[in-house]
Amino acid sequence: EPEVTQTPSHQVTQMGQEVILRCVPISNHLYFYWYRQILGQKVEFLVSFYNNEISEKSEIFDDQFSVERPDGSNFTLKIRSTKLEDSAMYFCASTPSPAEAFFGQGTRLTVV
Amino acid sequence: SQQGEEDPQALSIQEGENATMNCSYKTSINNLQWYRQNSGRGLVHLILIRSNEREKHSGRLRVTLDTSKKSSSLLITASRAADTASYFCATLQTDSWGKLQFGAGTQVVVTP
Repeated sequence: EPEVTQTPSHQVTQMGQEVILRCVPISNHLYFYWYRQILGQKVEFLVSFYNNEISEKSEIFDDQFSVERPDGSNFTLKIRSTKLEDSAMYFCASTPSPAEAFFGQGTRLTVV
Repeated sequence: SQQGEEDPQALSIQEGENATMNCSYKTSINNLQWYRQNSGRGLVHLILIRSNEREKHSGRLRVTLDTSKKSSSLLITASRAADTASYFCATLQTDSWGKLQFGAGTQVVVTP
C-alpha cells in the first residue's frame, strides 16, 4: 500500500542551524502539507502546497520556514535558523484532493 | 472552545468495554476525520465522515456527526489493549485547501 515517507525519523540540531526535513508523498497525490506537534500538544497546520506553490499557511509559518518540491517526488520543509521552540514532531501529508490526508510517520526534530 | 476540541481529555477502561469520545467544532466543515496516534508515533487515519452524513461504521469504530450541534463522537466497541493510544478529531473547513484543524485529543488507556 502506498505511503508517505519521511526522513530522517529523528534529527538533532544546534540552535541557529538550518535543517531540511524531507518527505516523499504518495506518487499520484497533488496536495501536500506540513504539520507539527510540539510534545504533548495538538497537531498544528503549517502550510499547504499545490501546483508548485503555497496555497495556505499558518501564522507559525514565518520567514524562517520554506517549502519546496525540487524534483517532482520530494517535498521538503526548511527551517533556516532553528530555535529551541522549533523542537517538535513534524508531519508531512499528501492527498489527491482536499479531503482525507495521508500522513507520514513524522520527523522528530530536537533543537539543542 | 477551539475548533476540534475533544472530551474527555483522558479515558481509562478495561478490555471489552466501549470507549466513547466527543469532538466539538466551531465553523462549517466539509468533513470530520478521526486519527489515532500511538505514543510518539505517526498519525493513523481511522475514519472520515462527510458533512452530509450522520453516522459511519468501520469495524469496531462508529462515528456520528451532528452538524446542528457542531459535534461528533467516536465509539470504539469491545476495546482491546492495542487500542491504547491518543485519538484526535480533525475538521476540514469548507473554504480551505485541505487544511485540517486538530483537537487536543483524548488519551485512551485500555487495561487487560
